[in-house]
Amino acid sequence: DIQMTQSPSSLSASVGDRVAITCRASLSINNYLNWYQQKPGKAPKLLIYAASSLQSGVPSRFSGSGSGTDFTLTINSLQPEDFATYYCQQSYSTPRTFGPGTKVDIK
Amino acid sequence: QVQPVQSGAEVKKPGASVKVSCKAPGDTFTTSGISWVRQAPGQGLEWMGWINTHRGDTNYAQKLQDRVTMTTDTSTRTAYLELRSLKSDDAAVYYCATDYGGKGRFEYWGQGTLVTVSS
Repeated sequence: DIQMTQSPSSLSASVGDRVAITCRASLSINNYLNWYQQKPGKAPKLLIYAASSLQSGVPSRFSGSGSGTDFTLTINSLQPEDFATYYCQQSYSTPRTFGPGTKVDIK
Repeated sequence: QVQPVQSGAEVKKPGASVKVSCKAPGDTFTTSGISWVRQAPGQGLEWMGWINTHRGDTNYAQKLQDRVTMTTDTSTRTAYLELRSLKSDDAAVYYCATDYGGKGRFEYWGQGTLVTVSS
């Protein structure tokens, strides 16, 4: 199974900040990497697919980059509604595996 | 409405089975697939498997293969997850999500079904 790791596990930031979350795969997954946002008590929401493609309806302040084993989710100008937990997930092979999550909270 | 709608919360005893349903949007059901993902309390996300909603073929996570069955009813556009021989660590919120062609991109998610396992 492909192991996914994320860093940091949590971070505190202010509205307007630029935030970057990194995700690493245990082997090369090309660009088969998706990012999700989850708020408490809610289902995850797809933000980015194929490492850098913005899902329809997702604000352009979210962006993704990377290929191979190292990926980054960037949130430009953090908004109040962005405080949540973010997960990366590989879709290169089954079983599909997720990172452990990065919790973004208010400083 | 593009989000799947799932059945309600369940309380089961250890050793019992649970069956969760997921009614998917009509215009995508037979051309899509459904993956099931679960989340134990305070924990991360775990993929359980995928079913082709048109042909019915499945791909299960190996660790659950002996206890899980995924099925669909195309007449009602409903997918089902059955998990048998429940253990305490099966207690979780179970989500279905659309997964077109089994490509592993979970585009639209159900609201989740809480399964409690308690004696």
